[in-house]
Amino acid sequence: AQRVTQPEKLLSVFKGAPVELKCNYSYSGSPELFWYVLYSRQRLQLLLRHISRESIKGFTADLNKGETSFHLKKPFAQEEDSAMYYCALYGNKLTFGGGTRVLVKP
Amino acid sequence: DTGVSQNPRHKITKRGQNVTFRCDPISEHNRLYWYRQTLGQGPEFLTYFQNEAQLEKSRLLSDRFSAERPKGSFSTLEIQRTEQGDSAMYLCASSLREVPYEQYFGPGTRLTVT
Repeated sequence: AQRVTQPEKLLSVFKGAPVELKCNYSYSGSPELFWYVLYSRQRLQLLLRHISRESIKGFTADLNKGETSFHLKKPFAQEEDSAMYYCALYGNKLTFGGGTRVLVKP
Repeated sequence: DTGVSQNPRHKITKRGQNVTFRCDPISEHNRLYWYRQTLGQGPEFLTYFQNEAQLEKSRLLSDRFSAERPKGSFSTLEIQRTEQGDSAMYLCASSLREVPYEQYFGPGTRLTVT
């Protein structure tokens, strides 16, 4: 079975502060992990995937198989980062976590 | 091509009625997915098609739910004898077979069953 857990429903930070969104997963196979983002009045879209190991909009995420985690980080949050973030695992289908709302205050 | 489109965007119906939603994927995408999202939860997988073949259905998809993609292009999701528990956002997404995790989502259809 595939399971994704995002323990924080809401993260509120000030502009310029670091932000870290936690994601833990459960999967018996070799996981492919992703972060999707939903900005206000837009559609759910892919933000980044662990295999690319790239930084998108200043965000990075490292897959830690020992801790079964895939936390999303950004060192300096911007107001435009305010959005809903979903961690997702692809085994034979996409399984999403419950989401974390990020609010970046000026 | 402006991306995945879904119609209607909102649907209010009375318990017991049937409803049908439509999804038009990105034209070159051969895979099409349906998800359901309730308040405070992430999208939950319902079913997916590769071309016109329905390859997987979730246990969430009860007998009252049926999905079709007759010509491998648009898809419909029908809910028969709606119940209040069916109230949710229904999302459609599409992808290429080669990159099934890179899914492009539509705006969703919000269903309210009264």
